Amino acid sequence: DIVLTQSPGTLSLSPGERATLSCRASQSVSSSYFAWYQQKPGQAPRLLIYGASSRATGIPDRFSGSGSGTDFTLTISRLEPEDFAVYYCQQYGSSPSFGQGTKVEIK
Amino acid sequence: QVQLVQSGAEVKKPGASVKVSCKASGYTFTAYFIHWVRQAPGQGLEWMGWINPNSGGTNYAQKFQDRVTLTRDTAISTASMELRRLTSDDTAVYYCARDADSGYSGYEDYWGQGTLVTVSS
Repeated sequence: DIVLTQSPGTLSLSPGERATLSCRASQSVSSSYFAWYQQKPGQAPRLLIYGASSRATGIPDRFSGSGSGTDFTLTISRLEPEDFAVYYCQQYGSSPSFGQGTKVEIK
Repeated sequence: QVQLVQSGAEVKKPGASVKVSCKASGYTFTAYFIHWVRQAPGQGLEWMGWINPNSGGTNYAQKFQDRVTLTRDTAISTASMELRRLTSDDTAVYYCARDADSGYSGYEDYWGQGTLVTVSS
């Protein structure tokens, strides 16, 4: 099974700052099969990015995804108050798996 | 609009089984796979498996292979997840989620509200 390791565990930033979240896979993942989700307390996850770099419907363009092979990145260009949440990466090959999450908190 | 509405919270004793249902509306139920994902308190997301509502075919995560069964009832557009031989480690919120593409993509675009399953003696 593919293990996804996210870093950092917690990111403390101020509104307006840029956030860079990383996800490393234990083996190569096709870029076609990589996603990012946002989750707020008490809510279900929300799809942000699929295919490593495609934004899901309704997702603002301040969210962008990149990467290939074993290293993938989610970038939030300018943090809005509603962006403070936990973010999960996911590979969705034959047996999907998620990373452990990165919490983006207000500094 | 697409909606997935799950059954209510459950409290079970160790060794028991639980069955969580997920009623879909707002789209053709048989056209999109349903995934099940769980989240233990304060922990991350864990994929459990998927079911093809059209054929009934399933794919389970190896960890749950011998304890979980996914089923569907197309007449009422409902998918269900049964987990057997519960332990305290199974205490979690269980989510159903729709696959994003008709056919199969592997990622999820609509999620249910979650069902809390508590396992306690």
